[in-house]
Amino acid sequence: ETGVTQSPTHLIKTRGQQVTLRCSSQSGHNTVSWYQQALGQGPQFIFQYYREEENGRGNFPPRFSGLQFPNYSSELNVNALELDDSALYLCASSPTSGRAIEQYFGPGTRLTVT
Amino acid sequence: AQSVTQLDSQVPVFEEAPVELRCNYSSSVSVYLFWYVQYPNQGLQLLLKYLSGSTLVKGINGFEAEFNKSQTSFHLRKPSVHISDTAEYFCAVTRNQAGTALIFGKGTTLSVSS
Repeated sequence: ETGVTQSPTHLIKTRGQQVTLRCSSQSGHNTVSWYQQALGQGPQFIFQYYREEENGRGNFPPRFSGLQFPNYSSELNVNALELDDSALYLCASSPTSGRAIEQYFGPGTRLTVT
Repeated sequence: AQSVTQLDSQVPVFEEAPVELRCNYSSSVSVYLFWYVQYPNQGLQLLLKYLSGSTLVKGINGFEAEFNKSQTSFHLRKPSVHISDTAEYFCAVTRNQAGTALIFGKGTTLSVSS
């Protein structure tokens, strides 16, 4: 069983640029959540996608947007990057039913904004 | 709104000693509780979860936690730690069956030395 994968592992962007991060959910999972983890902090919920629709959003501005595809993979897009967007971005997927409460995390994408 | 407080930011212990990592939560509704571990430069791994039933929950790697509703706590324990347990530990809560948003504490750094 393949776990949650994310790409790229690291990237460096300049303030004002746009970035797209990608996530492939675990087999059999139809829900994907994205979290931002700043250095020395716990992860903060950005949003969740269920069957290609946004299913909840945290306290993040609209320049953070997402997509979920029919195969349940997902993208996180961030426009007009700011220095404070530098963080580890984590993707988590959840099972289709039964154990839907559990979230399984990928290794993350480390974004550095200069 | 829910919140999670991890009472210790750092816990240094010697190998084979017992350890307790403390977590308190606040919520006006029933919650589900989790402990995750994060090794350096990696994503989060689920250690254990409390959804319902027995208040003593056993997880992977010899960890266990006890849900105490009256004290709104969910402390993590291990009777004998190993060097390999050195990592960041996060307590998290959610009140939604579908796990819309995990609310994380700021984390506790467990450092095990010989």
